[in-house]
Amino acid sequence: ETGVTQTPRHLVMGMTNKKSLKCEQHLGHNAMYWYKQSAKKPLELMFVYNFKEQTENNSVPSRFSPECPNSSHLFLHLHTLQPEDSALYLCASSLWDSMNTEAFFGQGTRLTVV
Amino acid sequence: QKEVEQNSGPLSVPEGAIASLNCTYSDRGSQSFFWYRQYSGKSPELIMSIYSNGDKEDGRFTAQLNKASQYVSLLIRDSQPSDSATYLCAVRGGGADGLTFGKGTHLIIQP
Repeated sequence: ETGVTQTPRHLVMGMTNKKSLKCEQHLGHNAMYWYKQSAKKPLELMFVYNFKEQTENNSVPSRFSPECPNSSHLFLHLHTLQPEDSALYLCASSLWDSMNTEAFFGQGTRLTVV
Repeated sequence: QKEVEQNSGPLSVPEGAIASLNCTYSDRGSQSFFWYRQYSGKSPELIMSIYSNGDKEDGRFTAQLNKASQYVSLLIRDSQPSDSATYLCAVRGGGADGLTFGKGTHLIIQP
């Protein structure tokens, strides 16, 4: 089983739909992250969670709503998305209390908004 | 605002040669530096991390860090076609701050 698992791998949704992305990590980490990767743009940090507490929200629109019920699970709830939200959504995890800590990514969810 | 700059390429290198990838960053407070490899349609895969000035070697990969110049590089020796990918430079300020990424350099190893 891979260290960071994301489901679903692919998602097509209409602009009026509500869907959720799921991430689970099996690495014993206590920090989890959501990133967005769009074509021709750098990976963009969306949210940071430390021990289930949200510590960073990089001006992400409210149509994206994160949830972290415990240090192993992270969700991204989606509603009334726009076509420009189509992208690869990546979850990552790391250790919070280590300066020299590496982040590992899941396989991503390829989201298409129609 | 934290920024990480990379030449987007493509960088074309003959098989067996040394590929040199470069990255500069704007935040002098950055503490941790990473290189990720990303194949088309896949997620980023960590290949090197470096935290102090100097060189760090791991197999065919060498990461170099110069904090005074705010510069990080990755050398790939004996380049193989399987090294063809986009290489992402990432920087962290400290603790579990999220990573700031560059746009990546597209590397092509020519057989």
